[in-house]
Amino acid sequence: DQQVKQNSPSLSVQEGRISILNCDYTNSMFDYFLWYKKYPAEGPTFLISISSIKDKNEDGRFTVFLNKSAKHLSLHIVPSQPGDSAVYFCAASAGTASKLTFGTGTRLQVTL
Amino acid sequence: NAGVTQTPKFRVLKTGQSMTLLCAQDMNHEYMYWYRQDPGMGLRLIHYSVGEGTTAKGEVPDGYNVSRLKKQNFLLGLESAAPSQTSVYFCASGEDLISYEQYFGPGTRLTVT
Repeated sequence: DQQVKQNSPSLSVQEGRISILNCDYTNSMFDYFLWYKKYPAEGPTFLISISSIKDKNEDGRFTVFLNKSAKHLSLHIVPSQPGDSAVYFCAASAGTASKLTFGTGTRLQVTL
Repeated sequence: NAGVTQTPKFRVLKTGQSMTLLCAQDMNHEYMYWYRQDPGMGLRLIHYSVGEGTTAKGEVPDGYNVSRLKKQNFLLGLESAAPSQTSVYFCASGEDLISYEQYFGPGTRLTVT
């Protein structure tokens, strides 16, 4: 039972354009959501997060939107840069021991 | 600060062999976690610890054991390795109960033949 789903395994975007990565969840107990970025042969690194009491959080070029009624969140990267090429994981927490449930990831390729 | 380190980086085992993966963190975090990453599966939680001397099962604990004898270390053991345990293993630590952010190590690539 996949509680956090990233239905797009890959996404290709031109440099300078907007990248939109999507994530859906099924567990209504999730109250905090995070995005992680992963380069090959490295561990995931934290990118941005959002609490369930908010619907938007911005950090520089990165914005996360949360639609609780639809159980959907998205990560917007504007403008996209070649260094953004990586695998992006969506994760969610229900609070217990700060455990995270991860999605399957979306591979973003930013082309020149 | 080294953050989260993992030993070894790579390992090849034969079916039935045992091994221990070591995770160390220097951020004085209370919580530590072991995940495995498989193609198309994302990261799945194996075991976790909320403090020295405590451990708990995650989503996929079968075939693994863990110990947290010291706050800074979290060991993952495979008693009798199976090909299904071929994976990349990540350790993470965290403590921020507001943001739930976890800090990950670089991973250990394990192949069981």
